[in-house]
Amino acid sequence: AQSVAQPEDQVNVAEGNPLTVKCTYSVSGNPYLFWYVQYPNRGLQFLLKYITGDNLVKGSYGFEAEFNKSQTSFHLKKPSALVSDSALYFCAVRDKGRSGNTGKLIFGQGTTLQVKP
Amino acid sequence: EAGVAQSPRYKIIEKRQSVAFWCNPISGHATLYWYQQILGQGPKLLIQFQNNGVVDDSQLPKDRFSAERLKGVDSTLKIQPAKLEDSAVYLCASSSDWSTDTQYFGPGTRLTVL
Repeated sequence: AQSVAQPEDQVNVAEGNPLTVKCTYSVSGNPYLFWYVQYPNRGLQFLLKYITGDNLVKGSYGFEAEFNKSQTSFHLKKPSALVSDSALYFCAVRDKGRSGNTGKLIFGQGTTLQVKP
Repeated sequence: EAGVAQSPRYKIIEKRQSVAFWCNPISGHATLYWYQQILGQGPKLLIQFQNNGVVDDSQLPKDRFSAERLKGVDSTLKIQPAKLEDSAVYLCASSSDWSTDTQYFGPGTRLTVL
């Protein structure tokens, strides 16, 4: 069964420092991977996705993610964190049924990012 | 371009009562999803529609939950009767197609069952 894991419940960084939010996945075949961010009392906002091609994916708000097939990872990164980046981050993988992708996203448990001034 | 709309934003009910949530997807999006997000967890798919047909409802508790998308546009999710464990945020999402396209989420409805 397809799954994603976010090993850290919370990540703390100082403003201006680089940040990394970790995600590992388990899928059969080539994965379709996504990162979303959720602010309090808001829905999920799309940040970026990896479908195929370049392993470094650039997304919204200066975020990027690196797809690493050998390590089955898709870590979210940003060179310089902002206090306004503080939020809950979800990694997700598109589910694969017997006949291919089903459309359903399987989410990790989420990682709370706290950026301190 | 307008995003995914959901209403109400908040709902508080007693257990065994019924409740309904409404979702209007992004214009032209054929695929619509309902997810349940319990506090401290990632969202979990309840049901997926392609136009007005159900693609996946394997995780929908059909004894109490129902959903419809009669005209292939907006959708309603109903719970009857509600249980305490149904307290969650119900998220609606849409995409132009289900294969590789991005899912865009609405603001969600926070349900509290007392």
